[in-house]
Amino acid sequence: AQSVAQPEDQVNVAEGNPLTVKCTYSVSGNPYLFWYVQYPNRGLQFLLKYITGDNLVKGSYGFEAEFNKSQTSFHLKKPSALVSDSALYFCAVRDGGNAGNMLTFGGGTRLMVKP
Amino acid sequence: DAGITQSPRHKVTETGTPVTLRCHQTENHRYMYWYRQDPGHGLRLIHYSYGVKDTDKGEVSDGYSVSRSKTEDFLLTLESATSSQTSVYFCAISESKPLMGYGYTFGSGTRLTVV
Repeated sequence: AQSVAQPEDQVNVAEGNPLTVKCTYSVSGNPYLFWYVQYPNRGLQFLLKYITGDNLVKGSYGFEAEFNKSQTSFHLKKPSALVSDSALYFCAVRDGGNAGNMLTFGGGTRLMVKP
Repeated sequence: DAGITQSPRHKVTETGTPVTLRCHQTENHRYMYWYRQDPGHGLRLIHYSYGVKDTDKGEVSDGYSVSRSKTEDFLLTLESATSSQTSVYFCAISESKPLMGYGYTFGSGTRLTVV
């Protein structure tokens, strides 16, 4: 079975400060890890993914995420937050041996960036 | 959300009535999925399809059925709508290239209210 946990329902950060949105996962095989962002009344949009290779992955809008196998984590980061980054963020995982290609999503973390 | 459309975007229906939501894709992707999004639960998989006439249940499939008679269309039916099925429903598609670690492309969602 595969699972994802996002321990924070909401993260508050001031504009210009660094932000981190946490994600931990559990899979039996090799993980494929994803971050998606959802703006109000919209579908989810792909931000970045980790499949293999460099543990630091760079994605859209200046976001990056660090894969840590020993801690089974894939935290989303950005060096300098913008008010426009305020949205709902979802971490997702797929077990590399999952023939159905199903992603399991975390519960989501709402990011609030204040001016 | 190019290549994937959901209809209707909003619907209000009465308890006990059947409801069908449609997902249409123009990407010729093999996999299609229906998720529901509820506060505190993130996205939960209802049903998915891995080809024409090939479907399987997700974690919250009770009260729902699906059909896929052609590659581009995936229908979700609430057989007898209940208030607990008030939710936002998302369709997603993904390719079938092995080892690519592909994620999903999401539709814009259908907001369903059961009164």
